[in-house]
Formats: sequence, C-alpha cells, structure tokens
Amino acid sequence: GAGVSQSPSNKVTEKGKDVELRCDPISGHTALYWYRQSLGQGLEFLIYFQGNSAPDKSGLPSDRFSAERTGGSVSTLTIQRTQQEDSAVYLCASSLRQKGNSNEQFFGPGTRLTVL
Amino acid sequence: DQQVKQNSPSLSVQEGRISILNCDYTNSMFDYFLWYKKYPAEGPTFLISISSIKDKNEDGRFTVFLNKSAKHLSLHIVPSQPGDSAVYFCAAINTDKLIFGTGTRLQVFP
Repeated sequence: GAGVSQSPSNKVTEKGKDVELRCDPISGHTALYWYRQSLGQGLEFLIYFQGNSAPDKSGLPSDRFSAERTGGSVSTLTIQRTQQEDSAVYLCASSLRQKGNSNEQFFGPGTRLTVL
Repeated sequence: DQQVKQNSPSLSVQEGRISILNCDYTNSMFDYFLWYKKYPAEGPTFLISISSIKDKNEDGRFTVFLNKSAKHLSLHIVPSQPGDSAVYFCAAINTDKLIFGTGTRLQVFP
C-alpha cells in the first residue's frame, strides 16, 4: 500500500493487560513517529525514530510505554499494565526527513484503544 | 504547558464565505508551521505549511498567514465548502517532532 498502515484499528482490553500496537510506515521513509489523541485533546507526541539514531522518547508518559522499530521499518508500541487513562487513539506517522523539507508527516488511520 | 494553542474549539461558517482558523504559539524558536485536517476515524492529512522566514503561503483556496512578532498564525479558506468540514490542527516543528494544538472543529453549512 501507498500509505501508513496501523493495526489493529480498534483494541478493547482490560485494565492491567499488556497491548501491542503496530505501524507500517511508507516504504523508504526514514523517520517514524507515534502520537496519541485522548478524548477532547490535541495530538500528543510520544516517541520518534530516525534512521539508526537512538529514539527520542521524551514524550512517553510513563515507563509502562515502550516502542521498537525493527529493521528501520515496522514499529511496535507496547503498553504494559494498561490503565483507563491510556484510552486514546494512537497515531503513527512517517516522513522522509530530508534536510530542507518541511518534514511533512504522513499519518496512519490510528488505533483506537479502550481500556475497561 | 501548551506551546501551540487553538483557542476556538469550533467554528461554523456558511458555504461560500471565508473560514479563518487561528493559532498562537509561545516558543519563538519554532521555525516551521503546518496545518493538518482530520476527518473522523482517519489520520490527519497535511494541508499547508509555512516557514518562519515567510509571512504568507497560498495554495488554492487555502492561505496561511504568519505574524512572528505576535506569535500568531491563521489559516484562511475561501470560499468554504461543505467538504471542508473537519477538525483542523495547527502544528509547529520542534526538533523534528510536531507540537500540535488542540484543534478547531470547522462546520461549513449550505
């Protein structure tokens, strides 16, 4: 496919369980980002991967959140011991990240996570 | 601490009229600004951007204005169309990541 894809599209889980969210970026895009949008809020930055550099994890809200990007492509966001406040739409984006461009980020459709 | 602010949560405009969406920011080091549009159940899609060295960028019906001294930018849509009804997010680039505002829901009615 031409765009960013995410799976699952919806995930309902019980409080305390672990969840994994997957992102397939656009082929050739070197940068990958995770954001989340809680109800009534804007998009909140979580983590950023750029090539082989160490990821920028400055937006992760707690140590229950982690993310990997294997082989410079697919990324997985893991939330351990989920809490109700983790309920949100989790969005992944990718970009070419070329010097001088506007760093336009292309977003996937998101995963709606509901923690009961 | 909200670095990018969209103070109007919603805006309603008649078809054919101008829509003006506003955005304020606090960090004078931001050097690039973008507007994204979001429909329900979809990810945001890029609309238009502006570099801090410019004060205006136009693309068809969409124009973004930047006032650096006031730390303010606005998106003008003219003429507005019903298909423009969506949530519009203003964003600034800070060390490669986007800092988003909370969005403004635009409703264009016939």
